[in-house]
Amino acid sequence: GAVVSQHPSWVICKSGTSVKIECRSLDFQATTMFWYRQFPKQSLMLMATSNEGSKATYEQGVEKDKFLINHASLTLSTLTVTSAHPEDSSFYICSARDPHRLAGVYEQYFGPGTRLTVT
Amino acid sequence: DQQVKQNSPSLSVQEGRISILNCDYTNSMFDYFLWYKKYPAEGPTFLISISSIKDKNEDGRFTVFLNKSAKHLSLHIVPSQPGDSAVYFCAASATGNQFYFGTGTSLTVIP
Repeated sequence: GAVVSQHPSWVICKSGTSVKIECRSLDFQATTMFWYRQFPKQSLMLMATSNEGSKATYEQGVEKDKFLINHASLTLSTLTVTSAHPEDSSFYICSARDPHRLAGVYEQYFGPGTRLTVT
Repeated sequence: DQQVKQNSPSLSVQEGRISILNCDYTNSMFDYFLWYKKYPAEGPTFLISISSIKDKNEDGRFTVFLNKSAKHLSLHIVPSQPGDSAVYFCAASATGNQFYFGTGTSLTVIP
């Protein structure tokens, strides 16, 4: 199946600093990528939809000035958590859709996730 | 508001027996449903999907059943294997873009 990578897999940062997480589609071009957040024992919550070459679409309640998303190319989307605070500590997962796969048109391929810990 | 619900947080099954994971949804506009498998500290892996025009989809040991009138879907794994132990998420979509996930069911297959 299609491969999506994330970097870093784990990051610890101090409160007030910014952290950038990268999401790459390795063997396909993704015009659309998605960013999710998962708290322990909870479901994946969609934060935003990232569209190549245009602004991201944020879900209600997600601060777009705090979670900056850039989808500069067809294989890379980045999520920057600005001025991170301990409550931003979470597991962040990206996914991408391969528009050329006809079978399972709505499949999303997930990255391995990034564990962010803000101290 | 949780539009997709998995009411059983955990399930234990003997190896070789059937595992049945359940999922309920509230939005009648959902027309595509998926099951994902997730190991700790990893991203979810796509398992099987079903569109609303079907009521059953089978792939090897995995079968997904959809009951639209009850807004209910289930994943059957038979026979269950220890390697199936993971957290299973169901997800639903109305547009093919935005997915709504359940809270997951942790399956343990006992050897």
